Amino acid sequence: DVKVTQSSRYLVKRTGEKVFLECVQDMDHENMFWYRQDPGLGLRLIYFSYDVKMKEKGDIPEGYSVSREKKERFSLILESASTNQTSMYLCASSLSGSYGANVLTFGAGSRLTVL
Amino acid sequence: QQQVKQSPQSLIVQKGGISIINCAYENTAFDYFPWYQQFPGKGPALLIAIRPDVSEKKEGRFTISFNKSAKQFSLHIMDSQPGDSATYFCAASFSSNTGKLIFGQGTTLQVKP
Repeated sequence: DVKVTQSSRYLVKRTGEKVFLECVQDMDHENMFWYRQDPGLGLRLIYFSYDVKMKEKGDIPEGYSVSREKKERFSLILESASTNQTSMYLCASSLSGSYGANVLTFGAGSRLTVL
Repeated sequence: QQQVKQSPQSLIVQKGGISIINCAYENTAFDYFPWYQQFPGKGPALLIAIRPDVSEKKEGRFTISFNKSAKQFSLHIMDSQPGDSATYFCAASFSSNTGKLIFGQGTTLQVKP
């Protein structure tokens, strides 16, 4: 019954490494999102995508990029990981349209530690 | 203007009590206000949502109260149960938007048996 799958639950990387976080959804949703969750800061939007090969910056895009080559897959890329990117990363998806777009289905999260 | 402020950061309630979490927003153009519930090790899941044309919405033991003039909304959990122990996030967005939610800071609720 898993609908949004994040391939890595826990990752430990070193400063300067390139990091890929993968997300796949099986609900044929048009919209996909990457959020970052930090204690006391809530969820902050990094990037989102309305369609294949389309992306838009969220509130904290610095240091991140994304890729959406297929409708079901949305990847978050840290080109050169830094310690301040240690966090929980949440992928989400939703339908298009004014009603369904705001009903987000989240994955279980990927906890990244950068040493 | 894009922020949503949530309080308290943490809350401890006895079983059977009422849990209340509050949120405030600035942007009067927001017109969709959901609450998400997150259990440890899981992603957040939509719990209940309200639009500003109503002042209250109830689903089982969960109620959203909405005060448009004060730009505040709150989640009330009646007869709180240990199984309600989780982190709760309020959020706001524009209904015409494509799912770009602005989340509050989160409240960790512990319901003691």
